[in-house]
Amino acid sequence: DTAVSQTPKYLVTQMGNDKSIKCEQNLGHDTMYWYKQDSKKFLKIMFSYNNKELIINETVPNRFSPKSPDKAHLNLHINSLELGDSAVYFCASSLQGSGNTIYFGEGSWLTVV
Amino acid sequence: GNSVTQMEGPVTLSEEAFLTINCTYTATGYPSLFWYVQYPGEGLQLLLKATKADDKGSNKGFEATYRKETTSFHLEKGSVQVSDSAVYFCALMSSNYQLIWGAGTKLIIKP
Repeated sequence: DTAVSQTPKYLVTQMGNDKSIKCEQNLGHDTMYWYKQDSKKFLKIMFSYNNKELIINETVPNRFSPKSPDKAHLNLHINSLELGDSAVYFCASSLQGSGNTIYFGEGSWLTVV
Repeated sequence: GNSVTQMEGPVTLSEEAFLTINCTYTATGYPSLFWYVQYPGEGLQLLLKATKADDKGSNKGFEATYRKETTSFHLEKGSVQVSDSAVYFCALMSSNYQLIWGAGTKLIIKP
């Protein structure tokens, strides 16, 4: 009964391809996030959705497009993959409100070759 | 703006040593503060949190106290184990619910 699950866990793909990472949470949370962790372990927020509405959209290339079909899902689609997109991508969820814990998925290791 | 600064790693200690990982922050208002841990090859897990000044978060022998006067949230453990080897992240939640992260501190515990 994984709380935040994302698939695939590992993905190796060629430059120029289009790929998606799926995320689902079964915690009843109203807010979901995508984070990117680079090789130096630095975490950077990419997007945040609250009740399927985009509330945070950091400076991310247009090639990255989140899609939230419902409150329990937030998928990340990446077009025209580049070498620099190689990273670990974390999905997360929480209840909206300061002090509420953000729960993370296990991460998706993306390698672009 | 809001920011979190934590000590650079890696921090290498022997088993049963005392651990401190420093974390300081700048923020407007009264943010909530968190420590997350990432074990090798795994995702992020909440270790502990504190939501107001003078609160102490604790879990698995780790503690951190929310010090508003020094804007700090240092992580401590009295006796570390090899299994504590991981990357530790300090974070604050700002008023617009965004989580601001420190750069992470890698902890290596040697037997």
